[in-house]
Amino acid sequence: QKEVEQNSGPLSVPEGAIASLNCTYSDRGSQSFFWYRQYSGKSPELIMSIYSNGDQEDGRFTAQLNKASQYVSLLIRDSQPSDSATYLCAVRNTGGFKTIFGAGTRLFVKA
Amino acid sequence: NAGVTQTPKFQVLKTGQSMTLQCAQDMNHNSMYWYRQDPGMGLRLIYYSASEGTTDKGEVPNGYNVSRLNKREFSLRLESAAPSQTSVYFCASSPDRFSNQPQHFGDGTRLSIL
Repeated sequence: QKEVEQNSGPLSVPEGAIASLNCTYSDRGSQSFFWYRQYSGKSPELIMSIYSNGDQEDGRFTAQLNKASQYVSLLIRDSQPSDSATYLCAVRNTGGFKTIFGAGTRLFVKA
Repeated sequence: NAGVTQTPKFQVLKTGQSMTLQCAQDMNHNSMYWYRQDPGMGLRLIYYSASEGTTDKGEVPNGYNVSRLNKREFSLRLESAAPSQTSVYFCASSPDRFSNQPQHFGDGTRLSIL
């Protein structure tokens, strides 16, 4: 089992729809969770951080964390073609000195 | 604000050649990291430096060496490049290794080994 798992996609949604990206992790003691966006040929860019159970909202983005289920998700409301990218889930392990990245989910938003 | 700066941005090497990838950050971060990213593999940690003067192996250290030159700079060296080291290399930094703050990435170095 991979330490951080994401569906590789591609996930295709129409413009204006809600895109839902999911991530599961294996280290039950993990405390910090991050979502990065990576455009093709570019570097990962942090878009959300979440540290406690529940929802964390920032504009059109909502991160959701459920530690009991070891599950973190990212919702993108009113998806735009400019949201088309690969989204990386990252989890900081117990002890905090190692961050594990998922392989990423490719999202396509169709105009 | 430069953040994390990597040089060069692109490089082509022949098998057996050596080179050093440079990374510098201006955010006063203590911890720095080197990753490689291959298609379908995500980001894999090569080496990290928790603080100035310390370095530790990550998931895929074979074939690489690192130097934490000072608090700002962390370099990655390929002593004898192999085609398997063709990849995109990212340097990242964070406030310190025990912080819950995220890592910030440089723009990457695209390296091809022929």
